[in-house]
Formats: sequence, C-alpha cells, structure tokens
Amino acid sequence: TAGITQAPTSQILAAGRSMTLRCTQDMRHNAMYWYRQDLGLGLRLIHYSNTAGTTGKGEVPDGYSVSRANSDDVPLTLASAVPSQTSVYFCASSEGPGNHEQYFGPGTRLTVT
Amino acid sequence: GQNIDQPTEMTATEGAIVQINCTYQTSGFNGLFWYQQHAGEAPTFLSYNVLDGLEEKGRFSSFLSRSKGYSYLLLKELQMKDSASYLCAVADSNYQLIWGAGTKLIIKP
Repeated sequence: TAGITQAPTSQILAAGRSMTLRCTQDMRHNAMYWYRQDLGLGLRLIHYSNTAGTTGKGEVPDGYSVSRANSDDVPLTLASAVPSQTSVYFCASSEGPGNHEQYFGPGTRLTVT
Repeated sequence: GQNIDQPTEMTATEGAIVQINCTYQTSGFNGLFWYQQHAGEAPTFLSYNVLDGLEEKGRFSSFLSRSKGYSYLLLKELQMKDSASYLCAVADSNYQLIWGAGTKLIIKP
C-alpha cells in the first residue's frame, strides 16, 4: 500500500515562478492537509480539506492555494514563489478532521532562489 | 494566542528512561498527540490522549492532565533508533492541530 505520495521530492524554483506540489492518498481518507516545516518553528498548517470539494485556510495560507476536486488528490499551488516559501512541505491525511491520527507523505523540499 | 511548549533538545543514555514534557494553551481541547520524526523523514504517529491519565504502548507511554495543560511522553529502555524529534500537537476547538516545535532527543551509547 502506497499510503501518501508527494511529488516532486525536491525542487529549486526561481522567485516569481509558479509551482504545484502534488499529493495523492490511497487510504480513502476524508481529510487532507498541507503543512510547512521550518527549523525551530514546527509544523504549520497551510490549507486543509475535510472532504472532497471543500477546502479551508490554516495558520499560514497567504501565497498558497489548494483544490480538492476528488477524494484522493490535493494539489498545492504557489502562484508566484518568494524566498520565504523555502521550506519542507508535508501533505497528510486522516479519516476525519482534527482528532484522528494523521498520516504523512515523505515531503517536498522546496528552495526558492 | 495558542501555544505549545516543549524543550528544544534532550540527551539520554541508551537503556535509560527519558521523559519529554509538553505544556499547552489552546482555544479548546480535543485531544493531544505525540509524533516521532526521524531526521529527513515524515512524522509518524505515536500516541493520542483525550482523557486524563496514562496510556501505555510498549516502551512508550503518554500522560495527560487537562487541568494543568500538561502532557509527557515517557520512553523506556532507550535504543539508539529512538534518536529523533518528538512532536507534541493539540487538536483545538476547531479540530485543527496546533504543533509544538518538537524536542530533539539524542541518545548516547
């Protein structure tokens, strides 16, 4: 079982360019999440989706957009990347929102130059 | 504001016991999680507490006191593979997880 996959594994992106980070889960989970993890700050929620067709803003949504057209995929788009978006991005999923165990993908390491 | 506090780094000896503390101030409480994260890898679930008391799972135990806004993760019979960061997270009133910055645990032989 694949669980959660993310692509790409890593990327170097020029400032001002756009990019979509991909995330797919095969566990039939309802809820999916995007986090960024920066040294000393812990995980911060960017956007979430409790069910297919719905999305919500997390703690740090500015500069990011997310869609949930189906139950398995939740792409995260950076419309115009800035150096402060250099981070490790984790996608996660859970059976339901909040108080359920979250399963994490392997992460995408993004460097914006 | 919402806040999760845990020590930045701890060192322990192989075979020993270590306790990692976590204190929280959140808008509402719907459970507390502990995750383990090895360097360069994704977090993985360790435990979940929603009621006061101790939950034991093999070498790992997690304790919760809701009145004190306090939890700890207890690791027994430490092994070198336990060297990792341990993340404390609280589900708030909106069922969103608020994460601590993590405690890096270094195990020495």
